[in-house]
Amino acid sequence: DGGITQSPKYLFRKEGQNVTLSCEQNLNHDAMYWYRQDPGQGLRLIYYSQIVNDFQKGDIAEGYSVSREKKESFPLTVTSAQKNPTAFYLCASSMRGRDQPQHFGDGTRLSIL
Amino acid sequence: ELKVEQNPLFLSMQEGKNYTIYCNYSTTSDRLYWYRQDPGKSLESLFVLLSNGAVKQEGRLMASLDTKARLSTLHITAAVHDLSATYFCAGGIGATNKLIFGTGTLLAVQP
Repeated sequence: DGGITQSPKYLFRKEGQNVTLSCEQNLNHDAMYWYRQDPGQGLRLIYYSQIVNDFQKGDIAEGYSVSREKKESFPLTVTSAQKNPTAFYLCASSMRGRDQPQHFGDGTRLSIL
Repeated sequence: ELKVEQNPLFLSMQEGKNYTIYCNYSTTSDRLYWYRQDPGKSLESLFVLLSNGAVKQEGRLMASLDTKARLSTLHITAAVHDLSATYFCAGGIGATNKLIFGTGTLLAVQP
């Protein structure tokens, strides 16, 4: 079955540590996205990529980094510069085009130890 | 800069009743999406609205778009408990598929 796989489901970060969240899709989608969701709030865009080897900052990119070396994969690194990383992180993908809905993975819940 | 506002933020309904969730956006957006999120889960795409006057229906949910008023509505007919979830609207901007999400409406349908 086609879909988006995020791992791990739960992740704990120590102070000063970088952690990487995995996102893999087998939908053959060109575009991929990372969002952050805080309790009781909507989603905020961290980074997005329309094509391999290219990505753009979203609204809250500070303290995060990404790479897009393969079409299927869009890992997100939460760096030690992100002072408040505790949140629910959602990865999404879509076909290119203005009218294409985004399809979401099951999310990774990141907490500070 | 596109901003998206939803109201109400929380809605408690009785089964069998009708209600509407409103989604206002601040600048021109030529497409509007509705998503559903169950607690602790991912988002499920419900509707994609692409033009002024667009109306889509799936079961007890109906979504519409008025681009002149910069307003989209999600109407719930004869609510059932299974509809309890958080509903998000999101506006699309520019040539990319970048979305700006509203803060969500938590719907609780009481038996």
